[in-house]
Amino acid sequence: DAKTTQPNSMESNEEEPVHLPCNHSTISGTDYIHWYRQLPSQGPEYVIHGLTSNVNNRMASLAIAEDRKSSTLILHRATLRDAAVYYCILRDDGSSNTGKLIFGQGTTLQVKP
Amino acid sequence: GAGVSQSPSNKVTEKGKDVELRCDPISGHTALYWYRQSLGQGLEFLIYFQGNSAPDKSGLPSDRFSAERTGGSVSTLTIQRTQQEDSAVYLCASSLAHGAANYGYTFGSGTRLTVV
Repeated sequence: DAKTTQPNSMESNEEEPVHLPCNHSTISGTDYIHWYRQLPSQGPEYVIHGLTSNVNNRMASLAIAEDRKSSTLILHRATLRDAAVYYCILRDDGSSNTGKLIFGQGTTLQVKP
Repeated sequence: GAGVSQSPSNKVTEKGKDVELRCDPISGHTALYWYRQSLGQGLEFLIYFQGNSAPDKSGLPSDRFSAERTGGSVSTLTIQRTQQEDSAVYLCASSLAHGAANYGYTFGSGTRLTVV
């Protein structure tokens, strides 16, 4: 599976936008970009995913670079409840894939009041 | 149910005993996955099931670990002769279809296993 690179940690102020970057320079044409987050003492939670076009949902937006070698998860207004570990994961939709998510270390987001 | 249900939520067992962890996936989800997360660590893939296909057991750390899925729904993860290094949170997830990257996973809240 292609790998992703994320900063270990980031800080944000409450009510401000947060941009969480992810580099995936070896991404293949069949890789979907998935984002999950894990709040303290909980299981991971699906946030958003995309292939080529930018995506929006009620939780966040996903901006994908034109060459697809990087992406950014955007939280439009951070709240204290958004403090979590955010994982950027590539999921291959190719025929050789087993489809399982392989989690890296993610980015620990701290939100300050 | 509305989400993935795991039981028990907490389990304390003595070293050398066997334990069984249960996962009830979302109704209609054909793919089911087990992960574990040791304290302060990332998620480690253990095993997945997809319908009636043979499971992918490539992540199981030793032959003391096994899992089954009955009737394409409920799954049980069994750890035999538990060791202290087995202490972790065991997470189950389900998805609409395996191998289709255009679907997200839904995780349960996990079972916290402590081997003393």
